[in-house]
Parts: sequence; C-alpha cells; structure tokens
Amino acid sequence: AQSVTQLGSHVSVSEGALVLLRCNYSSSVPPYLFWYVQYPNQGLQLLLKYTSAATLVKGINGFEAEFKKSETSFHLTKPSAHMSDAAEYFCAVSGGYQKVTFGTGTKLQVIP
Amino acid sequence: EPEVTQTPSHQVTQMGQEVILRCVPISNHLYFYWYRQILGQKVEFLVSFYNNEISEKSEIFDDQFSVERPDGSNFTLKIRSTKLEDSAMYFCASSEDVGYTDTQYFGPGTRLTVL
Repeated sequence: AQSVTQLGSHVSVSEGALVLLRCNYSSSVPPYLFWYVQYPNQGLQLLLKYTSAATLVKGINGFEAEFKKSETSFHLTKPSAHMSDAAEYFCAVSGGYQKVTFGTGTKLQVIP
Repeated sequence: EPEVTQTPSHQVTQMGQEVILRCVPISNHLYFYWYRQILGQKVEFLVSFYNNEISEKSEIFDDQFSVERPDGSNFTLKIRSTKLEDSAMYFCASSEDVGYTDTQYFGPGTRLTVL
C-alpha cells in the first residue's frame, strides 16, 4: 500500500521568503509522486509529478520538488513566495494502477 | 485548455434523498474517477471507471453509491439515500490513460450538504 505524510498542516512564510512544504512517502513499489494545489473554492491543480525520469522535478509557478529515495521524501520548494501562492497543497502518491492517495494537505499562508 | 467540469457547484439535500452529481470529463480521456473531501480532511478515492465498468473502488464506495456514463460525455455519481456523513466536496477526475505515471485532471468539485 502507498501513503504520504505531510508535515505541518499550516505553514506561514513572508513574501519573498523560501517556501518549503514537506512530504514523506511510504510505498511497497517504486512510487510515482505528485503535488497538487487547491486555491479557495477551486478544484485540484497539478503542480508537478515525479515519474522516475529525474529526481529534481520542476513544476508550474516556480515550484520544484526533489525525490530523495534515501529519505523517502518529496519536499516541495519555491525560492521566493508570492502572495498568489497562498493555497492548500497536497502531496499524493499513485497506488495501484488508478487510485491516487492524498496527504492531509498543508495550508500555505504568505505574509506581506 | 480542456478541463473537467462539474455540476452543480453546490447541492443541498435532505437526509434520505437521492442525489446525482454530474461531471463532464476531458473529451479524449478514457478513465474517470470520483474522490471526496470531507471538510478539514484529506481527499479520498471513491471509484474509478473504464470501459463502462468500475475498475477499482474503495471501502467507502458501498451499495449506496453508483456511477454511470449515460452518454458519450457525462459521468455521474449517484448517492441513493444520503446520510449526514455524505456531506463533503466531491471531485471528478479523468485521465487519458491509466498507469502510475498518467496524470489525473480534477474538476472544481461539487459541495454536497446533507441536512
């Protein structure tokens, strides 16, 4: 079975500061990992995904994530936070052929 | 850019009533999914559907739930007799193919409130 754990349900950063959202995974098979973002009253938008091609994955809106097998981690980073980054971020892992298993989410607050 | 659409955006119903949530997946996609998110909790997989059949379902997806693709464009989730605990945001998703690497594209969700 696959699962992900997101550390920190709420993260606050100042505008212009580094964003770091943590995700650790557990998987009995090589995992495929995703980060989704959910803006208020909207659906889930794919930020980026890891599919074993490269350990450093670049996504939309300046986000990237690094797959570290030794640490079973897939943390999401952005060098400089923008006010528009305020949203909820979900780490997810594909389980079986079709099911995507989500973490509990991290709400990012950006302070001006 | 093609997107998944869902209607209605908000549905209020009385306990025990039947509800049908509607989704229009991206047109060339073959695999369809429903997920739900109870307020303050994680997004949970309900069911996946391919070739007019359920291909995988979770333990949440009991006999009260059913899915259907009634025509070439719509994909529906029916809850036969709603309970208070069915109140949640329901997301539809679709993917072109299946497999670990294929991306599921999500709709904006339907917020279901059961009174």
